[in-house]
Amino acid sequence: GENVEQHPSTLSVQEGDSAVIKCTYSDSASNYFPWYKQELGKGPQLIIDIRSNVGEKKDQRIAVTLNKTAKHFSLHITETQPEDSAVYFCAASIGSNDYKLSFGAGTTVTVRA
Amino acid sequence: EAGVAQSPRYKIIEKRQSVAFWCNPISGHATLYWYQQILGQGPKLLIQFQNNGVVDDSQLPKDRFSAERLKGVDSTLKIQPAKLEDSAVYLCASSSRVGAGEQFFGPGTRLTVL
Repeated sequence: GENVEQHPSTLSVQEGDSAVIKCTYSDSASNYFPWYKQELGKGPQLIIDIRSNVGEKKDQRIAVTLNKTAKHFSLHITETQPEDSAVYFCAASIGSNDYKLSFGAGTTVTVRA
Repeated sequence: EAGVAQSPRYKIIEKRQSVAFWCNPISGHATLYWYQQILGQGPKLLIQFQNNGVVDDSQLPKDRFSAERLKGVDSTLKIQPAKLEDSAVYLCASSSRVGAGEQFFGPGTRLTVL
């Protein structure tokens, strides 16, 4: 089955700096790669996603890049703010089924004021 | 728009007891998912419903877990009997269609099995 590895497990950045989280996946048939943000006591919330026919996608301070050949994708957060502090999960579809996702173990991001 | 509702938010039980969780998805969402999130891990899909039918339950431990969505709206997930390793957050999510589209998650139910 699909195996998603996520690094780093924890990340501490100074407010205003950038944060980068990287994920690798194993299933070459995966074609959908969402990123979720989970705040304490809440369920995960989709922040951005990318499909395999696109190499990069940006939404304000958040961007995701995908390298299908190398089977890795990354989340970039620029100009970090204290409210960006949360746990971030990457996920990859299992095969071409968008609904069936394999999640990474998560990255705890702390933005220092 | 109201989000996905789950109850209870917290539950503590002894091993071998039974427990049930309830989920009410976003109105009009045909697809409903149950996930298990063990501390320090990402969510793991247990079962997916399309309306009141099961689409995928390949990762549901059927010897002790069961789920239903009788009227195609709200859903219950049951564990009977519970084991220590079932301690986790149980997340419910819904989406407007299967095969694509954003999954909206509820706040989860934190289960502790003693």
